[in-house]
Amino acid sequence: KAGVTQTPRYLIKTRGQQVTLSCSPISGHRSVSWYQQTPGQGLQFLFEYFSETQRNKGNFPGRFSGRQFSNSRSEMNVSTLELGDSALYLCASSLLGTSGAGRQEQFFGPGTRLTVL
Amino acid sequence: AQKITQTQPGMFVQEKEAVTLDCTYDTSDQSYGLFWYKQPSSGEMIFLIYQGSYDEQNATEGRYSLNFQKARKSANLVISASQLGDSAMYFCAMREVNNNDMRFGAGTRLTVKP
Repeated sequence: KAGVTQTPRYLIKTRGQQVTLSCSPISGHRSVSWYQQTPGQGLQFLFEYFSETQRNKGNFPGRFSGRQFSNSRSEMNVSTLELGDSALYLCASSLLGTSGAGRQEQFFGPGTRLTVL
Repeated sequence: AQKITQTQPGMFVQEKEAVTLDCTYDTSDQSYGLFWYKQPSSGEMIFLIYQGSYDEQNATEGRYSLNFQKARKSANLVISASQLGDSAMYFCAMREVNNNDMRFGAGTRLTVKP
């Protein structure tokens, strides 16, 4: 079974531009979560999509948005890029999603490293 | 507020020895899940082990075990018989039943010496 794939792996943008990152979950998984990882803030939850609906959202500004398609593939968009948006963006998929305290194991992709100049 | 605390930014261990990575957490929920992930230099997060708050026994997965002390709110990861390939960042994470996002600690960088 193929793992979670993320494209592109590396991206360089300039301030003010926008960017779209893509994530393809493991086949059959309906939940996709996005995380931002930076040296200063660590790993922070952005949002989760389940069956094309945003189910959970972290504490990020509205410049960060996402969507999920009927085939469970997800895209994340960041508009009006700032220097502080430079980070590793990780996508994770799970079968049923991240609700509750049970063992809903998340499988992570390799990440997209975004550099904003 | 920081809910997951990993107090060891870096740890060293000799190959074949055991090592304990510390994790404490803060929650008022009675139902929650605790997770440990490994992140090699490649960047991909790898799930290691899970402990539910109502699980009476400590979780074990191969060479990984979780020393769960609920009253102290600690969930330390124990790696037995360390291997060179265990060198990586290790993250403790928690998900509460009433808060669906996963909260991660700052991580511990483990280096296994030959």
